[in-house]
Amino acid sequence: GQSLEQPSEVTAVEGAIVQINCTYQTSGFYGLSWYQQHDGGAPTFLSYNALDGLEETGRFSSFLSRSDSYGYLLLQELQMKDSASYFCAVRGTGFQKLVFGTGTRLLVSP
Amino acid sequence: EAGVTQFPSHSVIEKGQTVTLRCDPISGHDNLYWYRRVMGKEIKFLLHFVKESKQDESGMPNNRFLAERTGGTYSTLKVQPAELEDSGVYFCASSQTGGSGNTIYFGEGSWLTVV
Repeated sequence: GQSLEQPSEVTAVEGAIVQINCTYQTSGFYGLSWYQQHDGGAPTFLSYNALDGLEETGRFSSFLSRSDSYGYLLLQELQMKDSASYFCAVRGTGFQKLVFGTGTRLLVSP
Repeated sequence: EAGVTQFPSHSVIEKGQTVTLRCDPISGHDNLYWYRRVMGKEIKFLLHFVKESKQDESGMPNNRFLAERTGGTYSTLKVQPAELEDSGVYFCASSQTGGSGNTIYFGEGSWLTVV
């Protein structure tokens, strides 16, 4: 099976940089994904890492180290609208379900 | 292109009643998933359809939950009889098959409250 761990909550101020870590245990590995969910909304896809290294998409970057079973989401130039829950997720193969971590609630203050 | 749509958006029912949630995936997406989030906790997997077949139903909590996807298009998730602990947000998601299936698209969720 798969299991993922994330910090439960992270706080930061506008304009800052924050890193949300994710460690996982999985039998088989088909990439690490990150999703954002605002209260009352649908989880939305942010990024996907299949290989080691950093993927950058605007203010958001995601990193993966398969040898360490570890990844992180880096959010730069934080804005108030970035306050949300962030989930890492893995799947064992391309045909399997996506298994989500426990989620990290990010609170951005002025 | 329409996204994943779910109905109803909110439902309040009494313990012991039946509720049926519906999901219309993105057109052309063979993979359809049901997830549940309870009280701000993790997004927990329930079930995965590939077309009309159940690929994985290991997350279904018990036999009070029944999911169907007749014809491989829309899906329904029925809870009968509902219990208090079934309250939560039920998300449906869909994805394509193959390389582009790395991204799954979620609906807005069906908020279920059992009282």
